[in-house]
Amino acid sequence: NAGVMQNPRHLVRRRGQEARLRCSPMKGHSHVYWYRQLPEEGLKFMVYLQKENIIDESGMPKERFSAEFPKEGPSILRIQQVVRGDSAAYFCASSRDGYEQYFGPGTRLTVT
Amino acid sequence: AQRVTQPEKLLSVFKGAPVELKCNYSYSGSPELFWYVQYSRQRLQLLLRHISRESIKGFTADLNKGETSFHLKKPFAQEEDSAMYYCALLSGGYNKLIFGAGTRLAVHP
Repeated sequence: NAGVMQNPRHLVRRRGQEARLRCSPMKGHSHVYWYRQLPEEGLKFMVYLQKENIIDESGMPKERFSAEFPKEGPSILRIQQVVRGDSAAYFCASSRDGYEQYFGPGTRLTVT
Repeated sequence: AQRVTQPEKLLSVFKGAPVELKCNYSYSGSPELFWYVQYSRQRLQLLLRHISRESIKGFTADLNKGETSFHLKKPFAQEEDSAMYYCALLSGGYNKLIFGAGTRLAVHP
């Protein structure tokens, strides 16, 4: 069973551009979570999704950030009009039952 | 408020020495706690879950509700244990993990 896949692994965007981060959960996992890690900090929860539903988005910034997990295809975290403060590592995790979460390798976003 | 505190950013020990990585939590109710490890250039891996009371790679962690702690211990550190260790609390409703800031363990020969 392949692990959680994320792509791209590294993404460079200029200020004002859009960033799209993709996450493919492990086979059989219907729960997807996104976390952000700023330098020297722990991971911070952003959003929890199940197929076609956002369950908890309490950690998402109110503007510019959105997430989806469509019926087919990977989960997408979208950041519009990126700013320097968005530079971080973004991790996706998946779970079969909402208890144990398995993490992807992360996407390192750099905004120049 | 739900919170996880790892007071040490860096723990440096010599090979063969005992290791204790501290984790304290704040949670009303019965906590579900985990330890994750991240080796250099690798993804976060689940190391321990408190509910199973297991020992993985020689590491153990005991939940102490009185002290609200879930410290990670190993009697004899190995160089390959060098990594970042994160303590995490599963929020009510299983919606999210709340992570501590992490402790970097450096084991010297």
